[in-house]
Amino acid sequence: SSELTQDPAVSVALGQTVRITCQGDSLRTYYASWYQQKPGQAPIFVIYGKNNRPSGIPDRFSGSSSGDTASLTITGAQAEDEADYYCHSRDSSGYHLVFGGGTKLTVL
Amino acid sequence: QVQLQESGPGLVKPSETLSLTCTVSGGSISSYYWGWIRQPPGKGLEWIGYIYYIGSTHYNPSLESRVTIFIDKSKNQFSLKLSSVTAADTAVYYCARLAFDDYVDYWGQGNLVTVSS
Repeated sequence: SSELTQDPAVSVALGQTVRITCQGDSLRTYYASWYQQKPGQAPIFVIYGKNNRPSGIPDRFSGSSSGDTASLTITGAQAEDEADYYCHSRDSSGYHLVFGGGTKLTVL
Repeated sequence: QVQLQESGPGLVKPSETLSLTCTVSGGSISSYYWGWIRQPPGKGLEWIGYIYYIGSTHYNPSLESRVTIFIDKSKNQFSLKLSSVTAADTAVYYCARLAFDDYVDYWGQGNLVTVSS
């Protein structure tokens, strides 16, 4: 089991806004980064640090954090956003890196 | 543009040692952390461990007794050895670059390793 907890599945209507959350004690201290993975592909990072997007990631992706929960928000979800999303940060000891269990996003 | 490419056998027998190498191109390995992440079929991502270019390592506690990661700066490569494998080690193995703020900014394409006799 992971020390970062994500909902296994979330759905959103095309063009609507969806929030994917990641919960863990370590998130009170450390930022989460977020990764998108489509079937048969390696993950790519979409958010890192406080709320930074790598080059090439659309600005509809944003990150935030409050207390022990980090969130990835997609504002105006597109069909191509359908994927698995993983959060990533340190564990509660602060010594080890861990991934959340992943959230499967379906765009309806 | 940094690129990472895994290489190694796709099939390993139970109890044997899994060996993979990651070749880094488009940038020097002499900076950053370099690591291995795996993903069993249909499951999530799991850190195996990572190495700093000067050779210091950090391993997942659940795998630490079986894992070795080492770096060859002359070849711009780093490698993974996982001993005494079982079917539970069947996974896609990714090599990756870990930036100093704890995010993975570059991934290899992945190498499926199946453990089977």
